[in-house]
Amino acid sequence: LAKTTQPISMDSYEGQEVNITCSHNNIATNDYITWYQQFPSQGPRFIIQGYKTKVTNEVASLFIPADRKSSTLSLPRVSLSDTAVYYCLVGDGNTPLVFGKGTRLSVIA
Amino acid sequence: GAGVSQSPSNKVTEKGKDVELRCDPISGHTALYWYRQSLGQGLEFLIYFQGNSAPDKSGLPSDRFSAERTGGSVSTLTIQRTQQEDSAVYLCASSLEGRGFDTQYFGPGTRLTVL
Repeated sequence: LAKTTQPISMDSYEGQEVNITCSHNNIATNDYITWYQQFPSQGPRFIIQGYKTKVTNEVASLFIPADRKSSTLSLPRVSLSDTAVYYCLVGDGNTPLVFGKGTRLSVIA
Repeated sequence: GAGVSQSPSNKVTEKGKDVELRCDPISGHTALYWYRQSLGQGLEFLIYFQGNSAPDKSGLPSDRFSAERTGGSVSTLTIQRTQQEDSAVYLCASSLEGRGFDTQYFGPGTRLTVL
């Protein structure tokens, strides 16, 4: 399993764009990069997944450089409701994803 | 369709007692995971079931913990002789095939308090 490293916490004001970077230096060729979001008192939920370049959905964007040794989750114009823990995971098709401690994002009014 | 359900939502028990936590995965999902999350901490992987394969028990913290999955569907996590450090939220998740890029769908969790 590729190990991931991400900041423990981040603070942001409402309306700002938030970028959370995750390092995964040992990512394997077959690994995908997946991000989950967890609100207090709830289980995590899937946000976005990518393999290379850029992926965008209605919630976030995921930027992956050519070497794939890192990835950046971008949340546009955050609101108070985006306060949550964000997990970065990498995995291939043969092993289950394992969650780390994630990044605790606090959005301030 | 229905999501992952877990029961009970809350469980308070006395030290030394056994507890059973139940998980009903999404119908058709062949993979099932159990995690533990202590207050303010990340998710700790416990055990993983995939189809008829032998479960991956590598995350179980001690032999007091065990889990089974009957008929490839419902799963029960059993903690014997509970200790205060077992207090946590126990989360169950299921995915379609259990591969690394399959989305995991989580249940609401069971909050276990050991007095």
